[in-house]
Amino acid sequence: KAGVTQTPRYLIKTRGQQVTLSCSPISGHRSVSWYQQTPGQGLQFLFEYFSETQRNKGNFPGRFSGRQFSNSRSEMNVSTLELGDSALYLCASRQGVGTEAFFGQGTRLTVV
Amino acid sequence: QKEVEQNSGPLSVPEGAIASLNCTYSDRGSQSFFWYRQYSGKSPELIMFIYSNGDKEDGRFTAQLNKASQYVSLLIRDSQPSDSATYLCAIPASGGSYIPTFGRGTSLIVHP
Repeated sequence: KAGVTQTPRYLIKTRGQQVTLSCSPISGHRSVSWYQQTPGQGLQFLFEYFSETQRNKGNFPGRFSGRQFSNSRSEMNVSTLELGDSALYLCASRQGVGTEAFFGQGTRLTVV
Repeated sequence: QKEVEQNSGPLSVPEGAIASLNCTYSDRGSQSFFWYRQYSGKSPELIMFIYSNGDKEDGRFTAQLNKASQYVSLLIRDSQPSDSATYLCAIPASGGSYIPTFGRGTSLIVHP
C-alpha cells in the first residue's frame, strides 16, 4: 500500500512569509504527527492529530499550527517565517497509540 | 516528560565488526522501544521493535532491552558500509501520552 506522502519536497521562502505543508498518511491511519528536524536539535515533536483533533502539541510558538481533514490528510502552517525555521519537516502516520510511526520523505524548508 | 538519551557519536567501526549503539530512557513506565535508521537526507525508517526484557534478533540486528537499568541497545553484526547512518531510539506513545519520544540519534560510520 502507498506510504506517507509529503508535499512539497523542497521549499525556499523569505523571512516573514508563511508556508503550508501537506501530508497524506497511509490509508487507514488516523494519527498524523509532525516533527521538525535540525542538525542541532534532532527530531522535535510539533503536534499530533487524530480524527481531526489535535491530541498533543510540542513546545513550539503559536506561529506553528496544523489541522487534519476528515480523510486524515493533514497540513501544517508556519506563519511569519524566521531563519531558524529552516529545517526538515517530517510527517508520520500511525495506526494507533503505541504503534510504529511511518515517516514521509519530508519537506526541506529553507528560509532566506 | 519522557526523555531518551543517545550518544551522538560518530561511532566508527571497521567493516565486518560489531557496532553497538546504546540508548537510555527516563520513564520507568515505558513498555516498548523502537529503533529507526536514518540515512543522510532521508526520513527515518523502522528497523527494530522490542518490548520484552532480553534480546530480539532480526538478521544482523539484535535489540537488547534491560528495563531494570533503563537502557536499550542495538547491535549490528558484520557491519557493512551501507549500515552507515544515524540510528534513532524511540519510545512510542503510551498510556496517557500520545507523544512518541525520539533520541537525537547516534551517527554510525562503517569504514571499509
